[in-house]
Amino acid sequence: QVQLVQSGAEVKKPGASVKVSCKTSGYTFGAYYIHWVRQAPGQGLEWMGIINPSGGSTTYAQKFQGRVTMTRDTSTSTVYMELSTLISDDMALYYCARSRQGRGGMDFWGQGTSVNVSS
Amino acid sequence: QSALTQPASVSGSPGQSITISCTGTSSDVGGYDYVSWYQHHPGKAPKLIISDVSNRPSEISYRFSGSKSGNTASLTISGLQAEDEADYYCSSYTNRGTQVFGSGTKVTVL
Repeated sequence: QVQLVQSGAEVKKPGASVKVSCKTSGYTFGAYYIHWVRQAPGQGLEWMGIINPSGGSTTYAQKFQGRVTMTRDTSTSTVYMELSTLISDDMALYYCARSRQGRGGMDFWGQGTSVNVSS
Repeated sequence: QSALTQPASVSGSPGQSITISCTGTSSDVGGYDYVSWYQHHPGKAPKLIISDVSNRPSEISYRFSGSKSGNTASLTISGLQAEDEADYYCSSYTNRGTQVFGSGTKVTVL
């Protein structure tokens, strides 16, 4: 069965970086795009960016340009999202999710990874 | 990219129908038939209920339907049930090659 399993909760200090992993299984890794979406406490969903696991190409939301990096490891079918220069507003639940087309709906989601930013 | 505009809350009694709107611009909702809708229960991952404006995954109830007119997409829930109480988000592809979510709508079953 399709699974997207994310790494565990993180606690970081302001200014630090965080790297969250999303290990996929149950389908052909390169056949689906992976999105990263976050939800801050009491806020709505926010799209951060997308990676094509097949070639590694990425597109990021303008808000995160220069601060986010999405990569993949085809040998382990894992996608990574690294966010640098963390501030308190980055405290959120981060999700990975897949879509068949980059433009389309996200049909399977990871369980979410909590990132706490605190001095 | 600003979030798409959704009503903050919508409510209805069991058995009734409700509609949630999602308003964007010609650069996103109005320009592409790539609008999706998600149901989000607190503490769980969001669930895709509508893709490509009106396509419903096989496992999703027929009570959920989507449509679009101009720059506004809509999600209709018919035969409202207690289990439909959740947050609902639309999303759209944009002319920047990105996606953008709506502001979210809390559905309450009275």
